[in-house]
Amino acid sequence: EVQLVQSGAEVKKPGESLRISCKGSGYSFTSYWINWVRQMPGKGLEWMGRIDPSDSYTNYSPSIQGHVTISADKSFSTAYLQWSSLKASDTAMYYCARLYYYDSQGAFDIWGQGTMVTVSS
Amino acid sequence: QSVLTQPPSASGTPGQRVTISCSGSSSNIGSYTVNWYQQLPGTAPKLLIYSNNQRPSVVPDRFSGSKSGTSASLAISGLQSEDEADYYCAAWDDSLWVFGGGTKLTVL
Repeated sequence: EVQLVQSGAEVKKPGESLRISCKGSGYSFTSYWINWVRQMPGKGLEWMGRIDPSDSYTNYSPSIQGHVTISADKSFSTAYLQWSSLKASDTAMYYCARLYYYDSQGAFDIWGQGTMVTVSS
Repeated sequence: QSVLTQPPSASGTPGQRVTISCSGSSSNIGSYTVNWYQQLPGTAPKLLIYSNNQRPSVVPDRFSGSKSGTSASLAISGLQSEDEADYYCAAWDDSLWVFGGGTKLTVL
């Protein structure tokens, strides 16, 4: 079964660091981009960025760039989303999603179950 | 403020046909294909329509998509109670993916 399994919920304080993970299985992990999508409480979906696991090339949304780091370890078929200094406004559900190229742009065909990050003092 | 514009809500009765619109611009919908996602309450989004009007094999043919110019729409026919969910359109926009703000569909 093709799936993405994310790490569990996190509760952190402002200023703390955090890394959450997304492990792919059932397919060739290095053949598909992994994307990260944020959903703040009660809000819509927001694309944060993506990584090509074959060479760790990344793209970020301009609104996110500089605040998070996306990385991957292809030997573990795992992608990561990392913060060095969390803010209360980072409180959200974070999803990873695989980009499948049905056409030249593709679509997010497989999604992780989500990781809830709560940042509160 | 989302780059793609969707109505915040839509509703219909069982068996009815409803449509959800998604409006963009020349840099996104006008240049690239549109995808639609369904998010049932408390769950991760699921791919519903890709490449404007194609359905993954697991998606019922009650769901259909179309695109014209800088706008797209999702149609759901034979509405069922289990279709109550949030629906999002998405498209590539030169260097990033953009989503609509989402439409909450209520089955009355």
